[in-house]
Amino acid sequence: KQEVTQIPAALSVPEGENLVLNCSFTDSAIYNLQWFRQDPGKGLTSLLLIQSSQREQTSGRLNASLDKSSGRSTLYIAASQPGDSATYLCAVGLYNTDKLIFGTGTRLQVFP
Amino acid sequence: EADIYQTPRYLVIGTGKKITLECSQTMGHDKMYWYQQDPGMELHLIHYSYGVNSTEKGDLSSESTVSRIRTEHFPLTLESARPSHTSQYLCASSPYDRVSNQPQHFGDGTRLSIL
Repeated sequence: KQEVTQIPAALSVPEGENLVLNCSFTDSAIYNLQWFRQDPGKGLTSLLLIQSSQREQTSGRLNASLDKSSGRSTLYIAASQPGDSATYLCAVGLYNTDKLIFGTGTRLQVFP
Repeated sequence: EADIYQTPRYLVIGTGKKITLECSQTMGHDKMYWYQQDPGMELHLIHYSYGVNSTEKGDLSSESTVSRIRTEHFPLTLESARPSHTSQYLCASSPYDRVSNQPQHFGDGTRLSIL
């Protein structure tokens, strides 16, 4: 059974820092991996999707990497800003299905 | 700029009532999903649909039911609400792609409280 773990559970950093959020999964047979952002009381916003054949994806200050063999993904946020404060969720997509298995998220606070 | 809408945003209601949570998307997506999320916990898939007249149960057992009569509409119904149904319900959609999975787009959710 696929399990997704995110570390740390919470992170508080000053503005301007570069930071890394970690996601690990137990079964390397994944179809893709997706990073989401969730603001309090809101739904999820898709940030990056990495197909299983890819190693990384970039969007602006965000870079996500995928290492299937070790069951790990990282989300790198460059030059963090207070507006980046949110919960970041990692989800793995399974083969032959559209199901996503979610981690519990990392709650990020960036203070000025 | 949301293209997927959920109503109501918040609902507080008594035990035993019938509830329908609405979800509509204007993107023409074939695939739609319902997730349940308790505070501080991960999202769990409770229902999904690949298109009109297609509905499937997700990983988490749920007493709710869904229907997909129109592409853009995927309502979730609880026939008799109980306090154990208190949670946040998130609806999502994604386009069909024969080659690869596409990102899922989420609504803002319905926060349901059953007294």
